[in-house]
Formats: sequence, C-alpha cells, structure tokens
Amino acid sequence: GAVVSQHPSWVICKSGTSVKIECRSLDFQATTMFWYRQFPKQSLMLMATSNEGSKATYEQGVEKDKFLINHASLTLSTLTVTSAHPEDSSFYICSARSPQGEGNTIYFGEGSWLTVV
Amino acid sequence: AQTVTQSQPEMSVQEAETVTLSCTYDTSESNYYLFWYKQPPSRQMILVIRQEAYKQQNATENRFSVNFQKAAKSFSLKISDSQLGDTAMYFCAFIVRPGNQFYFGTGTSLTVIP
Repeated sequence: GAVVSQHPSWVICKSGTSVKIECRSLDFQATTMFWYRQFPKQSLMLMATSNEGSKATYEQGVEKDKFLINHASLTLSTLTVTSAHPEDSSFYICSARSPQGEGNTIYFGEGSWLTVV
Repeated sequence: AQTVTQSQPEMSVQEAETVTLSCTYDTSESNYYLFWYKQPPSRQMILVIRQEAYKQQNATENRFSVNFQKAAKSFSLKISDSQLGDTAMYFCAFIVRPGNQFYFGTGTSLTVIP
C-alpha cells in the first residue's frame, strides 16, 4: 500500500537553530500534504496545508515565519522550524492523500519527535 | 464549524471482550468521510476503519465495526474479541471533502487488560 515517510524520526537541536523535517510520499504523487503537531496526550492539531508549487495555507495561530513549509515536488514536503525554542518541542506528523484505491485514502507519516534544548 | 467529540478520555476492556468507543460530530455538509485511527505508543497513525457518509451500510473490518447514525451524527467504533495489541489511543475523525484536512476528536485511550 501507499506509504508516507518522515525523516528524521528523532531530532535534538539547540535553541536558536533551525531544523528541517521531511515528508515523502514513497509510491504516489501527493499534490496536498498536511502538517500536524501533537502535544503529549492530546489530539493532532493541524498546522498547515502544503500545496505543491504554491504557498502553504496556515491555520490560525500558527506562525508562518517560524514554521516554514515547502512543497517543491509531488512527493516531498518539508517543515522547517526556524529559530527553535524549547516550547517548539513536540511531535510533528505529516499526512498525504493517495489517489489510489477508493478515493479519499489518507496516509500518515511515522512522525518526528523534536526536542529543543 | 466542524467539530468531533469523543466523550470517553479513557476506557479499559478485558481481553477477548467487546468494547464500544463513542464519537459524535457536527457538520453542515452532506458529503463527508468518517474515520477511526489508532495511535499505539509508537505514535504511528494507523487507519482502523472508514465510512462514507452517503453509504447507509455500516463499515466492518475484521474485528472492528462501526455504528453510523447519520441523523444523530454519531459514529461509534466496536471492537470485538479485544486483543492486547488493541491497546492504543483511538481518534475519531472526518473529512468534509476529499483532500481536505482532518478534523480530529480528542481521542480515547483504550487499555486491553489481560
């Protein structure tokens, strides 16, 4: 079946630095990908919708200058956390819709743990 | 506004027993898709079952089945013959149109007791 892969699974960075997380659709083209953030024992919070070849659409309250999203190809979207601070530490998950199968099939990446120290 | 409500933060069930997880949602749209996702400790989101709103027949997937009540906007998940591997967080979610983002509930933490 369709697979969405995230990299890295775990990342630790120093406060003030930037870190990039990749989301790849391995065997299908995804014109739209979604980035979520999940705090411990909480639900997934949509951060932004990533559209191939155009600017991302950010949810209210999400700083677009801090969370840079680039969807340069039909199989890759990246989330860059700029000038990271400890409060940015969280679990980040991406998802992509596969055109295969019965229409609306969404696949999630494995997620990425970010720890800012 | 689109909302999803899961009123049971935590549940437990004995191994081999049956458990039902509740979910209600609110939308003014008539065409949408409903999902149950499982998130084990690994944090990987795993699709359990999905239901198209235009289909009256309840979806089933092996030990998992749903009770979809469109008029009541209710979408409960029944897990039969519970197994230890079913221990996870379960999220109810829906999409209004294909390709749009998910609206997630707050989740139900299910523990299967041996």
